[in-house]
Amino acid sequence: AQSVTQPDIHITVSEGASLELRCNYSYGATPYLFWYVQSPGQGLQLLLKYFSGDTLVQGIKGFEAEFKRSQSSFNLRKPSVHWSDAAEYFCAVGPNDYKLSFGAGTTVTVRA
Amino acid sequence: ETGVTQSPTHLIKTRGQQVTLRCSSQSGHNTVSWYQQALGQGPQFIFQYYREEENGRGNFPPRFSGLQFPNYSSELNVNALELDDSALYLCASSRQGPGELFFGEGSRLTVL
Repeated sequence: AQSVTQPDIHITVSEGASLELRCNYSYGATPYLFWYVQSPGQGLQLLLKYFSGDTLVQGIKGFEAEFKRSQSSFNLRKPSVHWSDAAEYFCAVGPNDYKLSFGAGTTVTVRA
Repeated sequence: ETGVTQSPTHLIKTRGQQVTLRCSSQSGHNTVSWYQQALGQGPQFIFQYYREEENGRGNFPPRFSGLQFPNYSSELNVNALELDDSALYLCASSRQGPGELFFGEGSRLTVL
């Protein structure tokens, strides 16, 4: 069975500060890993994905994530947060690119 | 390029009723996946359709069914509605093969 744990329900960060969102997954083989962002009233938007290859993945909006097989983790980072980054972030794992198991999400609040 | 569109955006039903939700896939996409997102949770995979046939299913009972049409649009049907079916239903389209899901904004179903 596949599953995702996002340990942080809510994170508050100051504008301009760095951000790291944690994601731990459980999956028996090499997983497909994703980070999605969801703003209020919006659908999910893909930030980045990992299928294979370089374990440091660059995404849109200045986000990056690192796949660490030994730790079963796929943490998301951004060096400098903008107010527009306030949203809910979901980590997802799956055997392919469509049958995904999502975590419960981390809500990010950005303070001025 | 038209994105994924879903209808209706909101609807209210009573227990035992049936509901049909509709999804138009993004131009050039031939697969459609459906997800259920309960309040405060991450999305859960219901099923995917490819070439008008179900191509993978999550842990949902048979009263959740779907269709895909020749133009790749899709319907999600839920029979015998239960209170726990209250959720945001997300449709996502993609091209067959490793890639990414493009999500619509969802249909919010309330069951009273």
